[in-house]
Amino acid sequence: QQQVRQSPQSLTVWEGETAILNCSYEDSTFNYFPWYQQFPGEGPALLISIRSVSDKKEDGRFTIFFNKREKKLSLHITDSQPGDSATYFCAARRNSNNRIFFGDGTQLVVKP
Amino acid sequence: NSKVIQTPRYLVKGQGQKAKMRCIPEKGHPVVFWYQQNKNNEFKFLINFQNQEVLQQIDMTEKRFSAECPSNSPCSLEIQSSEAGDSALYLCASSPGLGEDTQYFGPGTRLLVL
Repeated sequence: QQQVRQSPQSLTVWEGETAILNCSYEDSTFNYFPWYQQFPGEGPALLISIRSVSDKKEDGRFTIFFNKREKKLSLHITDSQPGDSATYFCAARRNSNNRIFFGDGTQLVVKP
Repeated sequence: NSKVIQTPRYLVKGQGQKAKMRCIPEKGHPVVFWYQQNKNNEFKFLINFQNQEVLQQIDMTEKRFSAECPSNSPCSLEIQSSEAGDSALYLCASSPGLGEDTQYFGPGTRLLVL
């Protein structure tokens, strides 16, 4: 059973627009949710993360909105730039030192 | 930026051959993870260590996979007899542990089994 699901699978926006990437999870014991950004040929890089005690986390142009009751979260990228074109992975984890469960990713293309 | 080092970056093996890849975690990170990322972007957790001890592992795919993190040496992941289905990006991640959440990934070793 897929523990973390992402939608859409791919997303194209114009430069300057807001990209919204969605994520949902199954296990209510997950308490930490990192988003990773991956460029072709590279490993995933941590972009932003949120703990389940918060409902929002902001870092520059990147914001996570978290709804614990619905087990959903979303990543908003405002003022999207062509350099943001990458695959974004939503992930979840239960306890420190435990494995991360990844979604299958959203491939974002930002057109200039 | 992650300082996890993985070598080699690319590895080409024939079916039945051994494939070995190495990982040097970030300095001061005692917790190390190995994941496999396939061409469909699906991640599969393989094993994790705290210092030299195994914390969690999957049923290491019919025992063909083995891993270790010896003291004062790089961690390693080895596939004893490679199969075509093992072709993937193998990612090593490290974490400070002790309640710190973040796992930092290396660039990966891309394995191609011909």
